[in-house]
Amino acid sequence: AQKVIQVWSTTSRQEGEKLTLDCSYKTSQVLYHLFWYKHLLSGEMVLLIRQMPSTIAIERSGRYSVVFQKSRKSISLVISTLQPDDSGKYFCALWELDNYAQGLTFGLGTRVSVFP
Amino acid sequence: VTLLEQNPRWRLVPRGQAVNLRCILKNSQYPWMSWYQQDLQKQLQWLFTLRSPGDKEVKSLPGADYLATRVTDTELRLQVANMSQGRTLYCTCSGLQVSNERLFFGHGTKLSVL
Repeated sequence: AQKVIQVWSTTSRQEGEKLTLDCSYKTSQVLYHLFWYKHLLSGEMVLLIRQMPSTIAIERSGRYSVVFQKSRKSISLVISTLQPDDSGKYFCALWELDNYAQGLTFGLGTRVSVFP
Repeated sequence: VTLLEQNPRWRLVPRGQAVNLRCILKNSQYPWMSWYQQDLQKQLQWLFTLRSPGDKEVKSLPGADYLATRVTDTELRLQVANMSQGRTLYCTCSGLQVSNERLFFGHGTKLSVL
């Protein structure tokens, strides 16, 4: 069963709109972190946001924010005022302390297309 | 600034042949090096984390067998054998901390089966 669930595999918006990408996760652990990565067309994978238990780190300056609902085990990435450069694939990922030696668990990603 | 140099970027692999991948770490601040695979269904999956020179691990997954080696403080290798389906392999690095969580990715090596 998937531990990190991104329901939408693709989505598209027009330039200037706001986009919310949803992610839900399953964990029984107390200490875990969540991440949003963007996979660029060049192949590069870029860390956007890191959500820790009570703090958030915006790793990539821009128009990114999150809506973190811990009780619902949900973290949404919000991108405001979309630009064509925001096109790419966005991955949500989970890190759990007890499984720290096993790396991150990723969702399947959501491909975003932004049209002028 | 690129933290990881990964090569080759793309390789066509004749069925039954093994291929060797290489990843070079450019910043010693992030010494924990790992391999992740992304299969044709686009699932990104952790394979190995090798922390010290001399560390070796093997793993068999659907569609490929892997042997990972941490050669030096700055070099990580991966041998991919018995590959039946294409995939992309990503090298990553992270900092010296209890957690293994803040990852930087290389550009990836895309493998296709001939």
